[in-house]
Amino acid sequence: AQSVTQPDIHITVSEGASLELRCNYSYGATPYLFWYVQSPGQGLQLLLKYFSGDTLVQGIKGFEAEFKRSQSSFNLRKPSVHWSDAAEYFCAANRDDKIIFGKGTRLHILP
Amino acid sequence: NAGVTQTPKFRILKIGQSMTLQCTQDMNHNYMYWYRQDPGMGLKLIYYSVGAGITDKGEVPNGYNVSRSTTEDFPLRLELAAPSQTSVYFCASSYGTGGLDGYTFGSGTRLTVV
Repeated sequence: AQSVTQPDIHITVSEGASLELRCNYSYGATPYLFWYVQSPGQGLQLLLKYFSGDTLVQGIKGFEAEFKRSQSSFNLRKPSVHWSDAAEYFCAANRDDKIIFGKGTRLHILP
Repeated sequence: NAGVTQTPKFRILKIGQSMTLQCTQDMNHNYMYWYRQDPGMGLKLIYYSVGAGITDKGEVPNGYNVSRSTTEDFPLRLELAAPSQTSVYFCASSYGTGGLDGYTFGSGTRLTVV
């Protein structure tokens, strides 16, 4: 069955430290891949997306993600996190007319 | 440009009652979706629509119904509300197929069934 897995439910990093959030997908063929962010009480906002081509994609708010076909992964990274990055992050994949979301990773920032 | 508008923002229902969650978008998007979000479970697709007059089931359609009579509106109907339908509901839309240009989300409806 098609699925998106985010193995970390919670991640805590110090402000200014680097960040990597993991995402793995299970599809018959490479889907289109996305990362979304959700601030408390808000809807989801698209950070970045991968369709094909360059495996390192840049997004908004200083985020980037790297697609690795051999590992079926699409990990999200940021070189230096800010307190405002505290939120829940969702990896998502699309192959037909709909997107399937992972269960999310909640990011906590230590001052 | 309002984007995706959901009403109401909060609602408490009694078991067995029915209600309609409203969703309107003003971006002329063809694709519209309803998701429910439960703590630690991510978002589950309830129903989606690829255009006016066309709807299809997602992962968790039981207990819900939808219609799409216009491009702008995609209401979600709950019949005979049950406690298991307590959740936050998000409507989303996109221009391209499957959200390839990214979804635009509404701000959500928090529903409690007691």
